[in-house]
Amino acid sequence: RKEVEQDPGPFNVPEGATVAFNCTYSNSASQSFFWYRQDCRKEPKLLMSVYSSGNEDGRFTAQLNRASQYISLLIRDSKLSDSATYLCVFYSGNTPLVFGKGTRLSVIA
Amino acid sequence: GAVVSQHPSWVICKSGTSVKIECRSLDFQATTMFWYRQFPKQSLMLMATSNEGSKATYEQGVEKDKFLINHASLTLSTLTVTSAHPEDSSFYICSARDYLRGGDYNEQFFGPGTRLTVL
Repeated sequence: RKEVEQDPGPFNVPEGATVAFNCTYSNSASQSFFWYRQDCRKEPKLLMSVYSSGNEDGRFTAQLNRASQYISLLIRDSKLSDSATYLCVFYSGNTPLVFGKGTRLSVIA
Repeated sequence: GAVVSQHPSWVICKSGTSVKIECRSLDFQATTMFWYRQFPKQSLMLMATSNEGSKATYEQGVEKDKFLINHASLTLSTLTVTSAHPEDSSFYICSARDYLRGGDYNEQFFGPGTRLTVL
């Protein structure tokens, strides 16, 4: 089983739609979880951390399910500017960050 | 704060030449910097972890003699691709951790990346 698995997409959604991505991880020792956003030909940027209790930042909601070993990202009221690749990222202790391949989102007018 | 710069942002070179990429933390001290490589439609792959004043730790499959890393100061790490070949063409990204910064200590700050094309 791969360390991190993400549906590469692309997810093509109309403006205003709600879209959700999941990401599964195999290392049960993973301690910290993040969603990063990467625009084409740009560096990844931290979108939000993911906490066990779930957390929300505006239109974005992240959740963690340790029992099933996945995290999710929900985007409500999609904007054109949300078009990007969303990377799930895991961290265990002092190891480097582990990146998923990313899920590509295209929001269409 | 927490800005990381890379230079150059893109470079085209002939096969067999060497290319040096610089990574600088502009407003913080980075005892550890990371070098990643990303091929089209692929995830970021960690190449090596660079600690200030010591030898870099390379990931499995990454040739240390081909990808030379120097981290001589708390704000600068360099990656030199020696005897570059077309298969080395990729997007190279560095990142740094600010251990003195409050908040989420796990956060890495990424440079804007360097796009290398080897002809």
